Amino acid sequence: TQLLEQSPQFLSIQEGENLTVYCNSSSVFSSLQWYRQEPGEGPVLLVTVVTGGEVKKLKRLTFQFGDARKDSSLHITAAQPGDTGLYLCAGKRTGGSYIPTFGRGTSLIVHP
Amino acid sequence: DAGVTQSPTHLIKTRGQQVTLRCSPKSGHDTVSWYQQALGQGPQFIFQYYEEEERQRGNFPDRFSGHQFPNYSSELNVNALLLGDSALYLCASSLVSDTQYFGPGTRLTVL
Repeated sequence: TQLLEQSPQFLSIQEGENLTVYCNSSSVFSSLQWYRQEPGEGPVLLVTVVTGGEVKKLKRLTFQFGDARKDSSLHITAAQPGDTGLYLCAGKRTGGSYIPTFGRGTSLIVHP
Repeated sequence: DAGVTQSPTHLIKTRGQQVTLRCSPKSGHDTVSWYQQALGQGPQFIFQYYEEEERQRGNFPDRFSGHQFPNYSSELNVNALLLGDSALYLCASSLVSDTQYFGPGTRLTVL
C-alpha cells in the first residue's frame, strides 16, 4: 500500500486542455512537494507547500495543499507539449523522518 | 555552478555481479541521498549520508551499501545483483534536511 496515492496514473490530452492531478493520503504531512521528471532525467522540484489550504502558482500550474495537510492537487491550465512528463508528489510526515516519501506519479502526455 | 552529477549513465550487469555507482553533489551541499526508481514507480529511499556516515536507511537489504568521501561525493554499492535490482538509481544532494536536488540517474540493467 502506497503512503501517497496519485491519480490518475496516466493522462493523455491535447494541447490547450486543462487538467488536474491528485495526491492523497490518510497521513498528515508537514510539507508536500511536487516534482516533474522527464525521461532519462532525475525529478526536478516544482514547488513545496507547507500550510494547510495553501495555494501556490507557477505560471500555468496551480498547486493546492489540503486544509488537513493530507492531500494536494496540481492543476495545469492550457497544457502545452512541454508539460509532458511524470509528475510526482512527495510528502514529509509530521513528526516523522525528514526523508520525503514519493507517490508513484502521474504520467502526462500532451499532444500538439 | 554544476548540479548533481552521476556516473555511469547506463550499466549492464549479470545476476550475482557487484556494481558501484558514483555521485558528486551540487556545490556547497554536504548531504547525499540515494533512491531506487523501478519502472512505473516513484523513487524509493535507500539511504542518506552526512559527514561520511549513514544517517538514515530505507527498507533495503544489506546488499545495498554506501560510502561518503571527505569531499561529500558518494558511492552506492550493490552486491549479488538480482534481476529485480534493475532500475534507475538516483542521487540527491542537499544541505542537511533542506530541499533535495536530484541528479540524472544511472540506469542499471541486470540480465
